[in-house]
Amino acid sequence: GNSVTQMEGPVTLSEEAFLTINCTYTATGYPSLFWYVQYPGEGLQLLLKATKADDKGSNKGFEATYRKETTSFHLEKGSVQVSDSAVYFCALKRGAGSYQLTFGKGTKLSVIP
Amino acid sequence: GAGVSQSPRYKVAKRGQDVALRCDPISGHVSLFWYQQALGQGPEFLTYFQNEAQLDKSGLPSDRFFAERPEGSVSTLKIQRTQQEDSAVYLCASSPKPLGLAGEDEQYFGPGTRLTVT
Repeated sequence: GNSVTQMEGPVTLSEEAFLTINCTYTATGYPSLFWYVQYPGEGLQLLLKATKADDKGSNKGFEATYRKETTSFHLEKGSVQVSDSAVYFCALKRGAGSYQLTFGKGTKLSVIP
Repeated sequence: GAGVSQSPRYKVAKRGQDVALRCDPISGHVSLFWYQQALGQGPEFLTYFQNEAQLDKSGLPSDRFFAERPEGSVSTLKIQRTQQEDSAVYLCASSPKPLGLAGEDEQYFGPGTRLTVT
């Protein structure tokens, strides 16, 4: 079946540090890949997505590249801010017409000034 | 604009009680999803509605769980005879298009209802 594995947190970084949150997946076919973010007290929000191999999703300074050869979709940001403190979820959806999202366990990021 | 709203935000139930959790999707959204998020875990799919039709309930963990969306807008997730293992955050999400056309449509999530069964 489909599964997503992401690095366990919590992750604590100083402001302006480089961020990487690892995500690998297991799926048949060609899934679409997503990163969702959950700020304290709020619902999940889509951060970025990629729908095919070698696609790069980007938003708000975050990037992730769909690597089929390593079945990975690692999230990166060059310089984190305190406002980036949140829980980040990697997720996949099996393909066109599919609607079920399969999520990883989430990684809590805390950025300190 | 108004997003997905859920009520109540917090619910404490004694074991054996029935609970009803409400979801107000974004107006006009055709697709509606329920997810269960246990502590320290990612959300897990429960059920999917296209308008008022429940097209997929494969994720509902037992027959104590029941969801409805009678007029194709507001949805209610009902849990009968709650058990401690039902303690979780229940998330609702909506999407503008129906299955098959949804493609890579974003699912818009509500803030969730945290259910604690004592």
